[in-house]
Amino acid sequence: DQQVKQNSPSLSVQEGRISILNCDYTNSMFDYFLWYKKYPAEGPTFLISISSIKDKNEDGRFTVFLNKSAKHLSLHIVPSQPGDSAVYFCAARYGGATNKLIFGTGTLLAVQP
Amino acid sequence: GAVVSQHPSWVICKSGTSVKIECRSLDFQATTMFWYRQFPKQSLMLMATSNEGSKATYEQGVEKDKFLINHASLTLSTLTVTSAHPEDSSFYICSARGLGLALSYEQYFGPGTRLTVT
Repeated sequence: DQQVKQNSPSLSVQEGRISILNCDYTNSMFDYFLWYKKYPAEGPTFLISISSIKDKNEDGRFTVFLNKSAKHLSLHIVPSQPGDSAVYFCAARYGGATNKLIFGTGTLLAVQP
Repeated sequence: GAVVSQHPSWVICKSGTSVKIECRSLDFQATTMFWYRQFPKQSLMLMATSNEGSKATYEQGVEKDKFLINHASLTLSTLTVTSAHPEDSSFYICSARGLGLALSYEQYFGPGTRLTVT
């Protein structure tokens, strides 16, 4: 049972344009959502997060939008740069003592120069 | 800040042997460490959660006798793959959260360890 889903395995965008990565979830108990960037053979690096009580969080070129009624979040990167090319994972956190993160399957973003 | 290291970065071992992977938090005290494995082109799957000084909590389907986790100090956790078999070949990643971090819920990840069992 995949509780966090990224339905697009890959995305190709031209440099300077907007990249939109999507993520859907099923569990209403998640209290935080996080986006991580990952290069091959490396650990994920944290990009941006959003609390379940917010609908938008912005940090520089990265903005995350949360639609709780649709159980959907998205990461916008604008303008996209070739260095943004990587696999992007969304993750959802269970609240409480466990602090477990459930990861989506990832989306490979390729930014073309 | 918030650097997590793993050692070794890659290891090749023969079937039936045991392999130990170390995960260290270098500049903060990790009250909780997590161990994940990732198969090619798949998501990170949580294997277990360990709190310093207590037994690890394993996810459903993960054999605790095969994947031994020790979190003996606030800066070190180890994962030992016992009697490794080729199907244990994978990319193992640890993460840590703990004291002094700006975001209490955030996990910082190590660079991962590529295990190949021949």
